[in-house]
Amino acid sequence: EVQLVESGGGLVQPGGSLRLSCAASGFIFSTYAMNWVRQAPGKGLQWVSGISGSGYSTYYADSVKGRFTISRDNSKNTVYLQMNSLRAEDTAVYYCAKDRLGATGWFDSWGQGTLVTVSS
Amino acid sequence: EIVMTQSPATLSVSPGERATLSCRASQSVSSNLAWYQQKPGQAPRLLIYGASTRATGVPARFSGSGSGTEFTLTISSLQSEDFAVYYCQQYNTWPPLTFGGGTKVEIK
Repeated sequence: EVQLVESGGGLVQPGGSLRLSCAASGFIFSTYAMNWVRQAPGKGLQWVSGISGSGYSTYYADSVKGRFTISRDNSKNTVYLQMNSLRAEDTAVYYCAKDRLGATGWFDSWGQGTLVTVSS
Repeated sequence: EIVMTQSPATLSVSPGERATLSCRASQSVSSNLAWYQQKPGQAPRLLIYGASTRATGVPARFSGSGSGTEFTLTISSLQSEDFAVYYCQQYNTWPPLTFGGGTKVEIK
């Protein structure tokens, strides 16, 4: 059974940093691209970032490019999202999502999410 | 960026009735479209990919159709557990991957 468990969320001041983690199990982690998708309170889904199975290729939404960095450690079955220069508009639940294949762009498994609140 | 537009924003349906949800893309996405279901306080769940292929474990009452710019998710006979928010997502041209704004299916 696929399991994705996010951690690292919390309250941070504007301009601050936070690192999210997503621990995966139940599949051959290095084979699949992984993504982060966020959902602001009461709003819809917004794709944030993705990374290929090898970690060689990374992708970002324009709204986070230059501030967020996605990475993965295949030896630990974990994907990370380093978030710097955080803004109030980054406040959201951040979901880790597994790509169906290498990097198709659609997601067959999701974690339960971790809440990031950016506020002074 | 491909903009995905869902309609209606809210759909009021009685249990047992049919629900039809629409999703429109600002440019062709071929059949590279997925549908997700999200219940309050839960993560999204994949329902449909490739515009019309049901994901593993998804009941047959859910069906997807369309290609190009116009897509439909149909729930043939609504069950109590189907009341939720539904999102479409294109994966034809990315980054960025883009989602529609969602359709809330509520009890009439």
